[in-house]
Amino acid sequence: EIVLTQSPGTLSLSPGERATLSCRASQSVSSTSLAWYQQKPGQAPRLLIYGASSRATGIPDRFSGSGSGTDFTLTISRLEPEDFAVYYCQQFGSSPYNFGQGTKLEIK
Amino acid sequence: QVQLVESGGGVVQPGRSLRLSCAASGFTFTSCDYGMHWVRQAPGRGLEWVTVISCDGTIKYYADSVKGRFTISRDTSKNTLYLDMNNLRAEDTAVYYCARFDGTLSGFDIWGQGTMVTVSS
Repeated sequence: EIVLTQSPGTLSLSPGERATLSCRASQSVSSTSLAWYQQKPGQAPRLLIYGASSRATGIPDRFSGSGSGTDFTLTISRLEPEDFAVYYCQQFGSSPYNFGQGTKLEIK
Repeated sequence: QVQLVESGGGVVQPGRSLRLSCAASGFTFTSCDYGMHWVRQAPGRGLEWVTVISCDGTIKYYADSVKGRFTISRDTSKNTLYLDMNNLRAEDTAVYYCARFDGTLSGFDIWGQGTMVTVSS
């Protein structure tokens, strides 16, 4: 079973700043099998990034994903007020298709 | 419009059963571009993957936490996904989402709004 560990658990930043979120896998994951989601309170998650680095439809270009093997990163270049939310990574390399525990991005 | 709508949640006693439904519209349910999954989220907690059924219905995987108690199935004539939950436990209390996995993207691109299941005596 592949375990995903996200860090930090909580990230406190101000609008306009850059956010860097980490997702580390317990074993190597194909880049094509890593996705990132955003979830706001009371809402279903939304797909942000698939294949580790491709933006989903309608996702602004301030969101970018990178990484390979066991280390993946979600970067938000300049935070907008609507970006403060919880972010999850997920792997599809092998069942169970686990999520990371999430990173909460909060306004400083 | 591509949409998933869950139903069937509610309050149930420990040890009892419940069936969740997920009605799909706007896409071909049996297309092998897609797999259908259930994901849950306990109150105040993160996302937990639960189960998947392949596009042809022949492959099903389950999280260890539900294996032997939950069963995923579908009715292609109704474009509906199901989750049969037996021997429910307090720790199964969560919002249950159905989600479409798009194999051309490799991600859950469509999510339902979720249905709440509360297991309590």
